Amino acid sequence: GQNIDQPTEMTATEGAIVQINCTYQTSGFNGLFWYQQHAGEAPTFLSYNVLDGLEEKGRFSSFLSRSKGYSYLLLKELQMKDSASYLCAVMDSNYQLIWGAGTKLIIKP
Amino acid sequence: GAVVSQHPSRVICKSGTSVKIECRSLDFQATTMFWYRQFPKKSLMLMATSNEGSKATYEQGVEKDKFLINHASLTLSTLTVTSAHPEDSSFYICSARALAGYNEQFFGPGTRLTVL
Repeated sequence: GQNIDQPTEMTATEGAIVQINCTYQTSGFNGLFWYQQHAGEAPTFLSYNVLDGLEEKGRFSSFLSRSKGYSYLLLKELQMKDSASYLCAVMDSNYQLIWGAGTKLIIKP
Repeated sequence: GAVVSQHPSRVICKSGTSVKIECRSLDFQATTMFWYRQFPKKSLMLMATSNEGSKATYEQGVEKDKFLINHASLTLSTLTVTSAHPEDSSFYICSARALAGYNEQFFGPGTRLTVL
């Protein structure tokens, strides 16, 4: 079966750095997405990785290792507004997104 | 950037009534639209995939006669929840993909359905 694993909840301090991990097992691979979702709102796109390596976009970076079935989202200089759920999703061979359950990130002052 | 709208954003209805939710791609043509449902503190669950001009493909366990999907144009897909019941209360989110082979999905803002 297809499976996406990510931690249920993480806590970090304002101004610090946090890394959210995601491991996956899917039938085929056409890229990995990270989305941010605030409570009661739809997900918003953060990053897309299809090749191994690190993609940096401002305070957020995303890393992918296809051989390990592993990705992480790195958030730097955390701000209170970063408190949200972070969803890892993998696009399988049918171009369907397989979603993780999301990681709730709590930022403390 | 690509914008997807949903209407209504929030709806409260009585049990047994039908509710239609619209999903529109405002500045691009969406060959494929996706309908998701999300229960509180749960992950997104794909309900169905709709391609313009053809019948929707429903995920296992989703009743196609209860959740009617129409994708009549490249900018509009509708989800109709027929004979809604309280257990259908959820957050319904659509997303749209612009071109075949282009992988990013753009999400609408979601529709909060409450069935009394």
